[in-house]
Amino acid sequence: AQKITQTQPGMFVQEKEAVTLDCTYDTSDPSYGLFWYKQPSSGEMIFLIYQGSYDQQNATEGRYSLNFQKARKSANLVISASQLGDSAMYFCAMNAGGTSYGKLTFGQGTILTVHP
Amino acid sequence: DAMVIQNPRYQVTQFGKPVTLSCSQTLNHNVMYWYQQKSSQAPKLLFHYYDKDFNNEADTPDNFQSRRPNTSFCFLDIRSPGLGDAAMYLCATSRSSTEAFFGQGTRLTVV
Repeated sequence: AQKITQTQPGMFVQEKEAVTLDCTYDTSDPSYGLFWYKQPSSGEMIFLIYQGSYDQQNATEGRYSLNFQKARKSANLVISASQLGDSAMYFCAMNAGGTSYGKLTFGQGTILTVHP
Repeated sequence: DAMVIQNPRYQVTQFGKPVTLSCSQTLNHNVMYWYQQKSSQAPKLLFHYYDKDFNNEADTPDNFQSRRPNTSFCFLDIRSPGLGDAAMYLCATSRSSTEAFFGQGTRLTVV
């Protein structure tokens, strides 16, 4: 079984600053995938970034980067140059190796508020 | 341009009255998923279809059923909704090794 823990219920950041959202995970599978999704108030889950357990380098997608520390079992999301439109709920999720990428276990989420 | 479409966006149903939520996709993905997300909680997988193969999560109540008549459509049937079934229901699609795309969800209210 997989478990995702997000310990920050809410985070605040100033516009144009960087912010880190924490995520730790637990699994006994050697192969797994880690994902971050953004959920605005409209409800849709928007895929942000993916990191495979065997990937040697940290994933990056535009302003998003994933700080993957395998030994610590952490997969923190870093958002650089925050924008007002980044205000949303952010979910860390994982899937077990060999399962479809959409078969996800989610953390409880972190609400990010970006101040002007 | 919406790729995963859920209808309706908002559904109100009576306690115990069967209700069906629908999901369609234009991505031609072979896997479709249904998640339940209660207020201020994480989404929880109910079941998924891998092609035509139905995969139920162990703790999904029998009250929840699903149908996938073709690649593009998937339905969630709640046979006898209870007050505890009020939630956002999210449909998602993916290929086996690609990220999941989600619809905008259907918010279900049970009265």
